[in-house]
Amino acid sequence: ETGVTQTPRHLVMGMTNKKSLKCEQHLGHNAMYWYKQSAKKPLELMFVYSLEERVENNSVPSRFSPECPNSSHLFLHLHTLQPEDSALYLCASSPGTGELFFGEGSRLTVL
Amino acid sequence: QKEVEQNSGPLSVPEGAIASLNCTYSDRGSQSFFWYRQYSGKSPELIMFIYSNGDKEDGRFTAQLNKASQYVSLLIRDSQPSDSATYLCAVILATSYGKLTFGQGTILTVHP
Repeated sequence: ETGVTQTPRHLVMGMTNKKSLKCEQHLGHNAMYWYKQSAKKPLELMFVYSLEERVENNSVPSRFSPECPNSSHLFLHLHTLQPEDSALYLCASSPGTGELFFGEGSRLTVL
Repeated sequence: QKEVEQNSGPLSVPEGAIASLNCTYSDRGSQSFFWYRQYSGKSPELIMFIYSNGDKEDGRFTAQLNKASQYVSLLIRDSQPSDSATYLCAVILATSYGKLTFGQGTILTVHP
């Protein structure tokens, strides 16, 4: 198993749909992250979970809802998204040293 | 001023040359600095980190940190076409409680 696995890799959804992104890490790390990567913009931190507790919510709209049921799994629930939410969503885990280990990302397109 | 700033490029160098990538940061109290490489269509991967002033070498890569001038750079010696990627500078700002702040990345192209 690779270190950090994200599914689905590609997702197309309408503005009224509800979908979820899943992330799983096999590295034994205690911290997990969701980042958004849009063209021509820096990586934007969305949420941070440490030991399954949310420690950061970086002013993210409520149409994005994270869930961390245990230290190995992280979800991002999506509902009533906007076309400007189309981006690459990256999950990462960290042993707490500042080093991030990224998954391959979920490419989201909102129609 | 952006918290972490990089020239977006693209930076084009010939094969075998030294590629020099630069990054400046706004928070003088920052302590930890990272360079990530991101190939097109792939996720970022860590290539180097540096905590102390001076140089840190790892193979063909050298990270340089100058805290007084608030810049960190990455040198790639003997550049190869396979080094063509976007290079992301990331900093743990003193005010960020351990979170990484990324620059927008520099696109590097190494041409044969």
